[in-house]
Amino acid sequence: DAKTTQPNSMESNEEEPVHLPCNHSTISGTDYIHWYRQLPSQGPEYVIHGLTSNVNNRMASLAIAEDRKSSTLILHRATLRDAAVYYCILPVYANSGGSNYKLTFGKGTLLTVNP
Amino acid sequence: KAGVTQTPRYLIKTRGQQVTLSCSPISGHRSVSWYQQTPGQGLQFLFEYFSETQRNKGNFPGRFSGRQFSNSRSEMNVSTLELGDSALYLCASRFGPQNIQYFGAGTRLSVL
Repeated sequence: DAKTTQPNSMESNEEEPVHLPCNHSTISGTDYIHWYRQLPSQGPEYVIHGLTSNVNNRMASLAIAEDRKSSTLILHRATLRDAAVYYCILPVYANSGGSNYKLTFGKGTLLTVNP
Repeated sequence: KAGVTQTPRYLIKTRGQQVTLSCSPISGHRSVSWYQQTPGQGLQFLFEYFSETQRNKGNFPGRFSGRQFSNSRSEMNVSTLELGDSALYLCASRFGPQNIQYFGAGTRLSVL
């Protein structure tokens, strides 16, 4: 499985942008980069994913390095509700059809948002 | 559309007992995965079911089993409970080529 490396924790102030980094130096050419987050006392929640190009959605932006060995999740204006553990994941497909599928979660980055 | 529903939300059992947890996926989703979350090991993949067949299995003992019904609802069973089985058990469903998993709120199991 391709592994990811994230900082254990980061801190931000409310209303400021947050850049959450992830290194995945062993990524293969077909690996998608997924981000999930887990708010306190809840199950993980999908945030965003991408392959090569930068991606934007209503929650966040994903910036992918040209060599794909790293990516950055960008929260444009952090709110207190964004305080969570953020996971950068390269989903595993056990076969080429994608039907055997699992997410391998690391420790993630605990984001603290200060008011 | 209703999200992934897990029941019950909380369970207390004693060592040696068995437990069954239930998961109803989002309507139309045929894949259901189960994960265990503990403070020490984090989130770990248990197994995935697709169209009533187990397609993938994590590194857990045979005491952990599951099944999926024709309506895609899934159950997981843990037999001969041990103290170390105390955890949050999460179910997730997915659909389509985007392979986004949608998680339920989990069942918190305490083994005394």
